Amino acid sequence: QVQLVESGGGVVQPGRSLRLSCAASGFTFSNYAMHWVRQAPGKGLEWVALISYDESSKFYADSVKGRFTISRDNSKNTLFLQMNSLRAEDTAVYFCARSHSSTYKNGFDFWGQGTLVTVSS
Amino acid sequence: DIQLTQSPSFLSASVGDRVTITCRASQGISSYLAWYQQKPGKAPKLLIYAASTLQSGVPSRFSGSGSGTEFTLTISSLQPEDFATYSCQQLHSYPWTFGQGTKVEIK
Repeated sequence: QVQLVESGGGVVQPGRSLRLSCAASGFTFSNYAMHWVRQAPGKGLEWVALISYDESSKFYADSVKGRFTISRDNSKNTLFLQMNSLRAEDTAVYFCARSHSSTYKNGFDFWGQGTLVTVSS
Repeated sequence: DIQLTQSPSFLSASVGDRVTITCRASQGISSYLAWYQQKPGKAPKLLIYAASTLQSGVPSRFSGSGSGTEFTLTISSLQPEDFATYSCQQLHSYPWTFGQGTKVEIK
């Protein structure tokens, strides 16, 4: 069965960096675009970043552009999110999610359980 | 960016009720809309994509309709396991935005 397992969250001071990972299994990871989505405590969902199946395309939300970098290692079935210059407003649960179709138009069909990032001094 | 506004933000209903949630887009998005269900402490679950296509494994009491700027999610007969927060998402154009969510609680 499809599984996505995030790791790497924790408490970090403002201005510092953190790298999240998402280990995928149960499907051919290299065939799918992947996303990061976050949810601040008590708030709604916010899309963060997309990477195409072959890393040829990457997109970011304006709120993280220039600070966050999405990447993947298809040989290890793993998705990453490098987060630099973290701010208090980046505090959230971060989910990785699989794109339901190659056109990016049909939603995100599988999600990980999420990893909590807390940015605080 | 395309803004999505859901109504209501909160809904109190009983088991067996028919429930309808609306999602309005700030500009036309054709049928590129998805609906998710999320329970506390859990990841979102895809219910419907392309405005009206039921995701595999989702009960048929869930249905979606609409195109352009106005969309609805309907639960034909609310079940105990349906009490959750529901969010819409537009996939028409980057960035892929979500509505603020509708919390469905037990009356």
